[in-house]
Amino acid sequence: AQSVSQHNHHVILSEAASLELGCNYSYGGTVNLFWYVQYPGQHLQLLLKYFSGDPLVKGIKGFEAEFIKSKFSFNLRKPSVQWSDTAEYFCAVNAPNTDKLIFGTGTRLQVFP
Amino acid sequence: GAVVSQHPSRVICKSGTSVKIECRSLDFQATTMFWYRQFPKQSLMLMATSNEGSKATYEQGVEKDKFLINHASLTLSTLTVTSAHPEDSSFYICSARGTGNTEAFFGQGTRLTVV
Repeated sequence: AQSVSQHNHHVILSEAASLELGCNYSYGGTVNLFWYVQYPGQHLQLLLKYFSGDPLVKGIKGFEAEFIKSKFSFNLRKPSVQWSDTAEYFCAVNAPNTDKLIFGTGTRLQVFP
Repeated sequence: GAVVSQHPSRVICKSGTSVKIECRSLDFQATTMFWYRQFPKQSLMLMATSNEGSKATYEQGVEKDKFLINHASLTLSTLTVTSAHPEDSSFYICSARGTGNTEAFFGQGTRLTVV
């Protein structure tokens, strides 16, 4: 079945460590890709998105993601995490030729001071 | 970004009653709205997609007679959980997207508890 996969379910890091969260999708064709963050007790917020063009996308709060078409991947990165980055991170794909936004299973990130 | 307001943020209801959740786009016209359900520590599961003025398209396994969705205007969609049961307790989230805009904006979510 077509899906969005996030391999890391729970990531624990110390402050200043580098972060990379994996996201793979199985849809063919042109897709739009998103990373959302959900801070504890808050609603989903968009971190960054890719529609076309430069496959390296920069988002808010120092996050970036790279679209690698050949690998069907859209991994999220941040060079140096902060305690305030503790949150749930969701990768999402706008499936081709549909209105649907399909979410991955999410990755819980905990950053310790 | 655009603002999507969801109301109520929390609701507790008795088993067998119905609950209506509203989702409003405050500063744009939402041609498409989505309703999701999020279980504790799990991802968002798409329940249905609705386009203004049309019947909602439900995902497989979602009972359309139980989860009634109305998208009567470009700024309002409602989800009614009919004859609610404790297993319907969950976090329900709406999102909205405007014409030609592939980015969806999310509401704050509604925590439904059925007792």
